[in-house]
Amino acid sequence: AQSVTQLGSHVSVSEGALVLLRCNYSSSVPPYLFWYVQYPNQGLQLLLKYTSAATLVKGINGFEAEFKKSETSFHLTKPSAHMSDAAEYFCAVTKKTSYDKVIFGPGTSLSVIP
Amino acid sequence: GAGVSQSPSNKVTEKGKDVELRCDPISGHTALYWYRQSLGQGLEFLIYFQGNSAPDKSGLPSDRFSAERTGGSVSTLTIQRTQQEDSAVYLCASSDPGTSEQYFGPGTRLTVT
Repeated sequence: AQSVTQLGSHVSVSEGALVLLRCNYSSSVPPYLFWYVQYPNQGLQLLLKYTSAATLVKGINGFEAEFKKSETSFHLTKPSAHMSDAAEYFCAVTKKTSYDKVIFGPGTSLSVIP
Repeated sequence: GAGVSQSPSNKVTEKGKDVELRCDPISGHTALYWYRQSLGQGLEFLIYFQGNSAPDKSGLPSDRFSAERTGGSVSTLTIQRTQQEDSAVYLCASSDPGTSEQYFGPGTRLTVT
């Protein structure tokens, strides 16, 4: 069975500092991986996705994530945090090219300190 | 183009009453999910429909919860004999199984008094 863990339910960074949100997955088959973001009082939207092309994936708002098969990780990074990045971030996994359901991690709440 | 829509946007009901929540997925999306999100919490998977396959109901918290999807399109989540702990935002998402990328609706905020 697939699963996702996100280390750190809450992460705080200073404005301008590096953002690093951790995601590790478990999958017996090649995965598709996703990061979704939920801004306060808003719906979820896709930030970026890995679907077996380039291992370094760039998303919206300057975020990127790197798929590392050997570490079963898909950590989300941004070089310089903005106040507007404060949100809840969810990592998700599903089996590549299948009809299996998507599994979400528990989420990480990012706070940006001015 | 049209995204995922949900209705009603807000629903206040008395404990013990039944409620129906509706989801209109993106046209052509064969996969449809229901999630529940309590205040400040993550996504709780409820049920997954994929085409004509039997739905994955493994996330439904009790037999008071049921869902159906008619004609492979619109879905209705029904909660019978609502309880206060059912208060949450109920989210629907649809996806094209080729990409597995989910598109979320705005949610229905359910309050049980």
